[in-house]
Amino acid sequence: AQSVTQLGSHVSVSEGALVLLRCNYSSSVPPYLFWYVQYPNQGLQLLLKYTSAATLVKGINGFEAEFKKSETSFHLTKPSAHMSDAAEYFCAVSDRSYIPTFGRGTSLIVHP
Amino acid sequence: NAGVTQTPKFQVLKTGQSMTLQCAQDMNHEYMSWYRQDPGMGLRLIHYSVGAGITDQGEVPNGYNVSRSTTEDFPLRLLSAAPSQTSVYFCASSQGTLNTEAFFGQGTRLTVV
Repeated sequence: AQSVTQLGSHVSVSEGALVLLRCNYSSSVPPYLFWYVQYPNQGLQLLLKYTSAATLVKGINGFEAEFKKSETSFHLTKPSAHMSDAAEYFCAVSDRSYIPTFGRGTSLIVHP
Repeated sequence: NAGVTQTPKFQVLKTGQSMTLQCAQDMNHEYMSWYRQDPGMGLRLIHYSVGAGITDQGEVPNGYNVSRSTTEDFPLRLLSAAPSQTSVYFCASSQGTLNTEAFFGQGTRLTVV
């Protein structure tokens, strides 16, 4: 069975600081991993996805994530936070079922 | 390009009432799914469908029914609403391959009183 664990339900950073959101996965087969972002009162939209082509994946809005098989991790980073990055972030994994399983989400708070 | 459309956006029900949440997609996706989002719980899968005429249960199916008569539509029915079903509901669709993402609707905020 597949699952993801997001460490930290809330992450608080100052504007301009590094953003690091953690995601660890469990999958019996090589996984396909995704990060989604949800802005207030909206649906989820894709930030980036790992599909085995490259371990470092670049997404929209300056975010990137690195797949580390040895650590079963897919952490999301951004070098410099903007106020507009404040949102809920979800890590998700798909394997043979084709229906993604989501983590519990991490709320990113950006302080001026 | 509409994508995934959910109606209504907001709904208040009394305990015991029934209703249908509508979901339609115009991307010809085979896979469709319903999630509920509750604080601290992330998104939990209610039901999903891998094509017209085929549905299956997810993690939290009790109290909900679905059907898939067409590729485009995937309605979610609450048979007898309970306060525990107060939540935000999201419909999603995807092409049904491992490396493709899900596309989400804007959500339906349901309150059961």
